[in-house]
Amino acid sequence: DAKTTQPPSMDCAEGRAANLPCNHSTISGNEYVYWYRQIHSQGPQYIIHGLKNNETNEMASLIITEDRKSSTLILPHATLRDTAVYYCIVRPRNNAGNMLTFGGGTRLMVKP
Amino acid sequence: NAGVMQNPRHLVRRRGQEARLRCSPMKGHSHVYWYRQLPEEGLKFMVYLQKENIIDESGMPKERFSAEFPKEGPSILRIQQVVRGDSAAYFCASSPGRDRVSEQFFGPGTRLTVL
Repeated sequence: DAKTTQPPSMDCAEGRAANLPCNHSTISGNEYVYWYRQIHSQGPQYIIHGLKNNETNEMASLIITEDRKSSTLILPHATLRDTAVYYCIVRPRNNAGNMLTFGGGTRLMVKP
Repeated sequence: NAGVMQNPRHLVRRRGQEARLRCSPMKGHSHVYWYRQLPEEGLKFMVYLQKENIIDESGMPKERFSAEFPKEGPSILRIQQVVRGDSAAYFCASSPGRDRVSEQFFGPGTRLTVL
């Protein structure tokens, strides 16, 4: 899997947008960008994924640069319950290995 | 639609005992993955199974660890002769199938403590 680089931690004020960056400069053409998060003591939770177009769902938006070398996960109105470690993972959608490789992630702290 | 179920949620074992961790995937999911998370570390892949088959066990320690996913019933991760270093959170995930294989849904985990 292509390597990703994320800042180790970020703070965000409650009610404001949280923008979490991810660099994946070695991403290949068949690799998607996936985001998961892990709230303390819970299992990871799938958030969103995309290939090259921007994506939006009920949880977040994913903005992927035109050259696909970086992306940003946007939580439009962060709440205290969004405090978690956010993982950016790039991988083929149907690769034979199927496992997810979790890096260090970004520890997002939403503050009142 | 119930999510991925794991039990027990907490398990305490003494050194040398056996630990059995169970995982019931989401309804309709036939792919199961086990991950281990040591304290203050990220999740590490252990094994990937489909019904009655181990597809990839490249992350499993060579000794004492085994996994199965029988035709009927939950997937089982078995750790024999546990040691203190096995203390960790063990997460199970399931996915619908190959075309959505990376949309893995995780269970709440089993926290194993070895005394």
